[in-house]
Amino acid sequence: SQKIEQNSEALNIQEGKTATLTCNYTNYSPAYLQWYRQDPGRGPVFLLLIRENEKEKRKERLKVTFDTTLKQSLFHITASQPADSATYLCALSPTLGAGSYQLTFGKGTKLSVIP
Amino acid sequence: DAGVIQSPRHEVTEMGQEVTLRCKPISGHDYLFWYRQTMMRGLELLIYFNNNVPIDDSGMPEDRFSAKMPNASFSTLKIQPSEPRDSAVYFCASRKTGGAQTQYFGPGTRLLVL
Repeated sequence: SQKIEQNSEALNIQEGKTATLTCNYTNYSPAYLQWYRQDPGRGPVFLLLIRENEKEKRKERLKVTFDTTLKQSLFHITASQPADSATYLCALSPTLGAGSYQLTFGKGTKLSVIP
Repeated sequence: DAGVIQSPRHEVTEMGQEVTLRCKPISGHDYLFWYRQTMMRGLELLIYFNNNVPIDDSGMPEDRFSAKMPNASFSTLKIQPSEPRDSAVYFCASRKTGGAQTQYFGPGTRLLVL
């Protein structure tokens, strides 16, 4: 069966360091992968999208890599700040076609940036 | 834009009661999704609509759950009768065909069934 795993339920990191979150998947051929941020009591908010033919995508302090051979995506936050503390979810969408608008989410990694 | 609007934000009910959750998608969005989030299972897709038509309801847990979308600006998710295991946060999300492949989530409805 299809499975998405975000390796850490929680990650604590010192302010100013780079946070690296991992998303692994099995039995899946995603057309693209997305990362969302979720704050307590709120809905997920989109951060970045990377397509299957892209290796890396950047946005300000955020960087996402996508390795379809390893079936893994890494999400990096450089120069982390306490305001980056949140839960980060990865989401996969299948190959374009029927159902391609559906997203399957990982359970998330709760990041805490310690001042 | 006001974003996706959900009501109520919190709902406490007793087992066996009917619960109706409401969602107003972003204007112009033709896809609407209902999700349920729990600590154990994470964020799960229940059902989604395209142009008000249900496309895939395979995630709906059982017949006690039903969803409707009578028009482009309104959808409901109903649980009848409710059970304690239905306690979760229910999210509605919307997106439009083409453009960025992202979904826009509402603030969620936190449901507690006693």
